[in-house]
Amino acid sequence: EVQLVESGGGLVQPGRSLRLSCAASGFTFDDYAMHWVRQAPGKGLEWVSGISWNSGSIGYADSVKGRFTISRDNAKNSLYLQMNSLRAEDTALYYCAKGGEWLRFRSQFDYWGQGTLVTVSS
Amino acid sequence: QSVLTQPPSASGTPGQRVTISCSGSSSNIGSNYVYWYQQLPGTAPKLLIYRNNQRPSGVPDRFSGSKSGTSASLAISGLRSEDEADYYCAAWDDSLSGQGVFGGGTKLTVL
Repeated sequence: EVQLVESGGGLVQPGRSLRLSCAASGFTFDDYAMHWVRQAPGKGLEWVSGISWNSGSIGYADSVKGRFTISRDNAKNSLYLQMNSLRAEDTALYYCAKGGEWLRFRSQFDYWGQGTLVTVSS
Repeated sequence: QSVLTQPPSASGTPGQRVTISCSGSSSNIGSNYVYWYQQLPGTAPKLLIYRNNQRPSGVPDRFSGSKSGTSASLAISGLRSEDEADYYCAAWDDSLSGQGVFGGGTKLTVL
């Protein structure tokens, strides 16, 4: 059974940093791209960032480019999101999502975690 | 404003067929696959349709997807009360450095 468990969320002041983690199990982690998708309270879904199976391809939404860094550790079956210079508009539930096609970066998100809440406020 | 455009709401009665539209452009829907996700209240999104019209195992055949040009649609036939949820279309966009894009979501109400 595929499981994705996010952690690291919390309350943080504007301008500070936070690191999210996603622990994956139930599939061959290093065969699939992984992504972060966020959802602000009462709002829709927004793709944040994605990373290919071997970290060779990485992408970011314009809204986080230059502030967020995605990474993965295939030996630990883990995905990370380093978030710097946080803003109030980054407040959201952050989901970890698995790419749906073997070795393919741009595909559907076939499994999602339950999310970790990030609140940016003074 | 979302890159993909969906109606904010839709509704139907049990047993009816409803469709939800998703409009994009040549750089996203026009040149890439469309995906649909269902988000039940208080839960994480779930993949409903991939590659325009393919259903993952376990998704009932009451759900179907289609694409034409720069638009796509999700159809739900035999509407059931448990279909009440938010529905999002998504695609990859070639003009935005290959970013993923979502529609703003459609809240489906079963009357």
